[in-house]
Amino acid sequence: QKEVEQNSGPLSVPEGAIASLNCTYSDRGSQSFFWYRQYSGKSPELIMSIYSNGDKEDGRFTAQLNKASQYVSLLIRDSQPSDSATYLCAVSLGRTALIFGKGTTLSVSS
Amino acid sequence: DVKVTQSSRYLVKRTGEKVFLECVQDMDHENMFWYRQDPGLGLRLIYFSYDVKMKEKGDIPEGYSVSREKKERFSLILESASTNQTSMYLCASRTQGQPPYEQYFGPGTRLTVT
Repeated sequence: QKEVEQNSGPLSVPEGAIASLNCTYSDRGSQSFFWYRQYSGKSPELIMSIYSNGDKEDGRFTAQLNKASQYVSLLIRDSQPSDSATYLCAVSLGRTALIFGKGTTLSVSS
Repeated sequence: DVKVTQSSRYLVKRTGEKVFLECVQDMDHENMFWYRQDPGLGLRLIYFSYDVKMKEKGDIPEGYSVSREKKERFSLILESASTNQTSMYLCASRTQGQPPYEQYFGPGTRLTVT
């Protein structure tokens, strides 16, 4: 059974802090990794994709991938109340459908 | 920008009705997907399609069927709606070519079956 695990949270951070969201996956053949942000009542929005080991930065977001440890994380720097949402981790074994975690709820307090 | 649209944001249907949910993407993507999302259960894959007239069952296909007559359009059909099909339905479209194959969602249809 291919699985993607996330801590459901809620993860609470103060405004301006760094939020760290973590995800582990079970299949070593996983090739691509994605982070989605989902506001309540809305659809998931792709915010980061990463394919190679290491870090990928986009604005305040950094995705970190460690294939040896089967671990992918998302760092949000200078967290804002507007970052409060559920963050979904997803992995792909290539051209197959994505496997999603159940999400981590982030709450940023002002 | 990738644009995935769904025919309705909110829909209320009666038990036993046949329900059509439509999804259109404008990026010439070959791969399209239908999910449902329920609290505590996360996103669950219903059906997907790799090309026109091709379809594959996902994890929970029972009670659903799909149609892909044109590349840009992927329809989900509830043959006889039941109350346990009340859910948020999400369509997605995915890039092809080089990885990562990024997947983009439509706005979703919140279906209530009474």
